[in-house]
Amino acid sequence: SQTIHQWPATLVQPVGSPLSLECTVEGTSNPNLYWYRQAAGRGLQLLFYSVGIGQISSEVPQNLSASRPQDRQFILSSKKLLLSDSGFYLCACRPRTGENSPLHFGNGTRLTVT
Amino acid sequence: AQTVTQSQPEMSVQEAETVTLSCTYDTSESDYYLFWYKQPPSRQMILVIRQEAYKQQNATENRFSVNFQKAAKSFSLKISDSQLGDAAMYFCAYRSAMNRDDKIIFGKGTRLHILP
Repeated sequence: SQTIHQWPATLVQPVGSPLSLECTVEGTSNPNLYWYRQAAGRGLQLLFYSVGIGQISSEVPQNLSASRPQDRQFILSSKKLLLSDSGFYLCACRPRTGENSPLHFGNGTRLTVT
Repeated sequence: AQTVTQSQPEMSVQEAETVTLSCTYDTSESDYYLFWYKQPPSRQMILVIRQEAYKQQNATENRFSVNFQKAAKSFSLKISDSQLGDAAMYFCAYRSAMNRDDKIIFGKGTRLHILP
């Protein structure tokens, strides 16, 4: 079964600083990868998803970006953080083991922008 | 675009009783998948149950079952014999089976409290 490694677990960054969150997957090849953000009262918001290396679909954010430099690596970045970027960030993976295969999640990163 | 709505931000249920969490979704597609995820205080997301839209039979996993009403676009989760360990945030999720982009969207969640 797959394992999703996500780090760091917690992060405190000042406004205007850059961000890089990394997610790596073990135990499956060519998975679909996702970044979600969980903010209070807003549920789980889809930020980016990727169906292959270099293929990124963006859903919402203006100052966040994502990259997939390797098959099982997914990176969330920002050049300048905003206060509104605070939240709990979850990386998820959907293996291509079947059409109804569910998402598997990492343990998340708690980001506080001060 | 598809949307998922969970209209109950919080719910409470007495231990050993039954509770139903509601979820509605909006889509113009005929083939899709629906999921319920649980997020306990540890914040680890755990799959509870899944349903394929082409299956008329409601999915069941031990004490968890769904009431899938395709025409009404409703996908409620029933938890029987509630236990203290069921206390968590519950999210409903939708994934199209017709698009190759594999977008998966979630509702805002329902926080479930179990009263001892």
